[in-house]
Amino acid sequence: NAGVTQTPKFQVLKTGQSMTLQCAQDMNHNSMYWYRQDPGMGLRLIYYSASEGTTDKGEVPNGYNVSRLNKREFSLRLESAAPSQTSVYFCASSSRGGNLDTIYFGEGSWLTVV
Amino acid sequence: KNEVEQSPQNLTAQEGEFITINCSYSVGISALHWLQQHPGGGIVSLFMLSSGKKKHGRLIATINIQEKHSSLHITASHPRDSAVYICAVLNTGTASKLTFGTGTRLQVTL
Repeated sequence: NAGVTQTPKFQVLKTGQSMTLQCAQDMNHNSMYWYRQDPGMGLRLIYYSASEGTTDKGEVPNGYNVSRLNKREFSLRLESAAPSQTSVYFCASSSRGGNLDTIYFGEGSWLTVV
Repeated sequence: KNEVEQSPQNLTAQEGEFITINCSYSVGISALHWLQQHPGGGIVSLFMLSSGKKKHGRLIATINIQEKHSSLHITASHPRDSAVYICAVLNTGTASKLTFGTGTRLQVTL
């Protein structure tokens, strides 16, 4: 049982390049999330999806787009990467939502934009 | 002021010591999570609390809703407990949106 799998683990991009971070969960969870983690700051929500076919903006959505392809997969796209998007990105999932259920995280994706 | 404040930011302890990490929050919440992040980055959920106290092995988490405060205790600490411990709260009325503290970095030495 893999849990939450996200790829790639490491990526270096040039300013202006695009890329997609992939995330998949095998726990049949409804809710999926993308967070970023920066030094000295708590995890911040970029986008989330409460169920298949729905997505909502989080705290820091600018510069990102998401797709909830199906119940398993939730991808995060950077259309034109900027150095400010250098961060560690975490995908997470939970059964109904963060309030009553355990939340499961992927291993993280280290992204550097130069 | 952050909605979720953790203290201390850094903590060094010797093996066997009793450890307490604190989390204070300023908003109404429906639940609070304690998470553990190991070197290398992986984040694991330890507890989810909405009231009272929970225990799992050497870990104990308590919450006082009236005082807007939670504590994570580690008994008989061990070097493998070295990690960053993160508190996260679910604000009342903000379904699915957790607000995270900046974490407490714990190092347990022999």
